[in-house]
Amino acid sequence: DAKTTQPTSMDCAEGRAANLPCNHSTISGNEYVYWYRQIHSQGPQYIIHGLKNNETNEMASLIITEDRKSSTLILPHATLRDTAVYYCIVRVASSGGYQKVTFGTGTKLQVIP
Amino acid sequence: GAVVSQHPSWVICKSGTSVKIECRSLDFQATTMFWYRQFPKQSLMLMATSNEGSKATYEQGVEKDKFLINHASLTLSTLTVTSAHPEDSSFYICSAPPPWVETQYFGPGTRLLVL
Repeated sequence: DAKTTQPTSMDCAEGRAANLPCNHSTISGNEYVYWYRQIHSQGPQYIIHGLKNNETNEMASLIITEDRKSSTLILPHATLRDTAVYYCIVRVASSGGYQKVTFGTGTKLQVIP
Repeated sequence: GAVVSQHPSWVICKSGTSVKIECRSLDFQATTMFWYRQFPKQSLMLMATSNEGSKATYEQGVEKDKFLINHASLTLSTLTVTSAHPEDSSFYICSAPPPWVETQYFGPGTRLLVL
């Protein structure tokens, strides 16, 4: 899996958009960008993933640069419940997700009232 | 959506005893499940890959005789921490991949405290 670099921590005001960056300059052509988050004392939660096109779902948007060397996860209207550690992971996708997931240190997002 | 459960959610045991943690896929079958361990303020570390009907694959540095994994059915994997010691106190998390998506879903975790 390609290595990723994320800021250690970020703050965001409640109701504002949270933009979480991730660098993955060694990403391969068949590797996807995945985002998970872990709320304190809970198991990780899948958020979104993409290959090269921007993706959006009910939780977030994923913006991937044209050269695919970096991406940004956008939470459009952050709430206090979005306070968590966010993990950006680059890996080959496979039907059924049989590839193991290797976690880095992630970004601790603190949403401030 | 896919749901992965774990039991128990937390357990306290005495040093030297064994503890079994269950991981279940509730609405799908999983031939592969994964076990992670997370110490306070650290990231998740993959311990092993659990394979239904065959031996588990352990990551480097994880003692297979201490952390016994049994994947006896397509919906259940168990992790047994044998002869637990205080340093085994940790947050244990499992994950399983539903066949219809290219990702994994994680259980809620089991917090183990060894006294």
